[in-house]
Amino acid sequence: AQSVTQLDSHVSVSEGTPVLLRCNYSSSYSPSLFWYVQHPNKGLQLLLKYTSAATLVKGINGFEAEFKKSETSFHLTKPSAHMSDAAEYFCVVSPPGGYNKLIFGAGTRLAVHP
Amino acid sequence: EAGVVQSPRYKIIEKKQPVAFWCNPISGHNTLYWYLQNLGQGPELLIRYENEEAVDDSQLPKDRFSAERLKGVDSTLKIQPAELGDSAVYLCASSLGTSGMGTDTQYFGPGTRLTVL
Repeated sequence: AQSVTQLDSHVSVSEGTPVLLRCNYSSSYSPSLFWYVQHPNKGLQLLLKYTSAATLVKGINGFEAEFKKSETSFHLTKPSAHMSDAAEYFCVVSPPGGYNKLIFGAGTRLAVHP
Repeated sequence: EAGVVQSPRYKIIEKKQPVAFWCNPISGHNTLYWYLQNLGQGPELLIRYENEEAVDDSQLPKDRFSAERLKGVDSTLKIQPAELGDSAVYLCASSLGTSGMGTDTQYFGPGTRLTVL
């Protein structure tokens, strides 16, 4: 069965410092992987997606993630946090042949302090 | 371009009452999804429509939940009767529906926050 584990439920960083949100996936085959962000009272927004092309994926707002098959990881990073990055982040897996079914992790709440 | 529209944004009802949520997907999107998001958790798929056909409703509790997508555009999700445990956010999403390979981007609405008292 496909699943994702987000290793931290809460992450707190200072503005201007790097962000690392960790995600491990479980999949028998090469899945599609996504990161979504959810700001309060707003819809989920796609940050980036991996679909078996380049292993380093660049997304919006300076975020990027690296697919590491050997480690079954898809960690999200950003070199310098901004106050507006404070939100809930979800790592998502879509199994191959799953007809676009998304399986969400439990989420990581990112807090950014001045 | 308008995004996915949902209404109402908030709903408070007493248990055993019926409730309905409405979703208008992005124009031209053939696939529509309803998700349930409990507090502190990620969304879980309830039902997926391809045009007007429900092609995956395996996670929909059919004893009290129902959904329809007449004419393959707008969709309504209903709960009757509501229970305390139904308090959650109900999300609607849509996608073009051109790919079955997990690469079809889903666009989410803001959700309806349901509180059952």
